[in-house]
Amino acid sequence: GENVEQHPSTLSVQEGDSAVIKCTYSDSASNYFPWYKQELGKRPQLIIDIRSNVGEKKDQRIAVTLNKTAKHFSLHITETQPEDSAVYFCAASSSSGGYQKVTFGTGTKLQVIP
Amino acid sequence: ETGVTQSPTHLIKTRGQQVTLRCSSQSGHNTVSWYQQALGQGPQFIFQYYREEENGRGNFPPRFSGLQFPNYSSELNVNALELDDSALYLCATELGFPYNEQFFGPGTRLTVL
Repeated sequence: GENVEQHPSTLSVQEGDSAVIKCTYSDSASNYFPWYKQELGKRPQLIIDIRSNVGEKKDQRIAVTLNKTAKHFSLHITETQPEDSAVYFCAASSSSGGYQKVTFGTGTKLQVIP
Repeated sequence: ETGVTQSPTHLIKTRGQQVTLRCSSQSGHNTVSWYQQALGQGPQFIFQYYREEENGRGNFPPRFSGLQFPNYSSELNVNALELDDSALYLCATELGFPYNEQFFGPGTRLTVL
């Protein structure tokens, strides 16, 4: 089955700096890669996603890159703000079994220091 | 908000008991997945239902079962509860192919004593 590894597990940055979270996946059939932000006690919230036919996608301060050959993808947050503090999860999705199965990484706790 | 609701919000059970968790989604979201999220971990896929039938399952034993109803609601049933079943249970609905985005509910926090 799919295995998604995520690093680092914790990340502290100064307000205004950039944050980078990296993930690797194992199943070459994975073709959809969402990123979620989860605040304490709340539901995961989709912040950006990328499909396997695209190498990069950007939405304001957030960008995601995908390297299919190396099977890794990254989340980049620029000009971080205190409200960016949360746990971020990467995920890889495959539909090879006839249904969309999403495998999540173990999460990165991001702390933005004012 | 995602338009996906779950009930109850919190639940406390004892070992060996049975529990039913509920999820209600938006009209047209005919696919629902259930996840277990232990403290400090990412969500783990339990199973997925499409048009009232299970069409995919993760590494969870048969005592985890589900139902999906024509009104876009669904249930997760867990029998013979174990201490390790304590977790946040999330449902996520989607429109289905070719739309991949999943819409998560707020979750049910289950504590097994």
